[in-house]
Amino acid sequence: SQKIEQNSEALNIQEGKTATLTCNYTNYSPAYLQWYRQDPGRGPVFLLLIRENEKEKRKERLKVTFDTTLKQSLFHITASQPADSATYLCALAGRDDKIIFGKGTRLHILP
Amino acid sequence: KAGVTQTPRYLIKTRGQQVTLSCSPISGHRSVSWYQQTPGQGLQFLFEYFSETQRNKGNFPGRFSGRQFSNSRSEMNVSTLELGDSALYLCASSSGQAPWDEQFFGPGTRLTVL
Repeated sequence: SQKIEQNSEALNIQEGKTATLTCNYTNYSPAYLQWYRQDPGRGPVFLLLIRENEKEKRKERLKVTFDTTLKQSLFHITASQPADSATYLCALAGRDDKIIFGKGTRLHILP
Repeated sequence: KAGVTQTPRYLIKTRGQQVTLSCSPISGHRSVSWYQQTPGQGLQFLFEYFSETQRNKGNFPGRFSGRQFSNSRSEMNVSTLELGDSALYLCASSSGQAPWDEQFFGPGTRLTVL
């Protein structure tokens, strides 16, 4: 069955460093992948979308890579700040237009 | 521009009852999707509506249903509630020109089934 895996453990990163989050998937051929941020008690907020034919996408301090051979996406936050602390979700959508979400990784940026 | 709104924000029901949740999308958005979020299963797709038609559906039992009105507002209904239906129900809207365009989520409705 289709599966998405994100780091289940919380990730603690020192302020100013680069935080790297991983999203692995199996039994799936996504057409594109999205990353979302979710704060406690709130709905997810869209951050970035990357298509299967794109290797990398950037937006300000954010960078996403997408390796369809490794079946993996990496999400980087450079020059991290305490305000970046949140849960980050990856989501895959296939050509059947069905979307599946990972369970998210909690990121803590330590001052 | 006002964001996605959901009502009610909190709801407590008992097993066997039914519930209706409401979602108002961002003005101009024609696609509304519904999701269930639980600690164990994460965020799971329920269904998507576009211009009053269900365009996509997840793997949930028929007790979960929805509809969309001509003004793009959407409702979701769960009949014969079970304890396992306790969750945060999120709706998201998008322009819908391409499936899974950037989605804008509402704050969710927290449903507790006793």
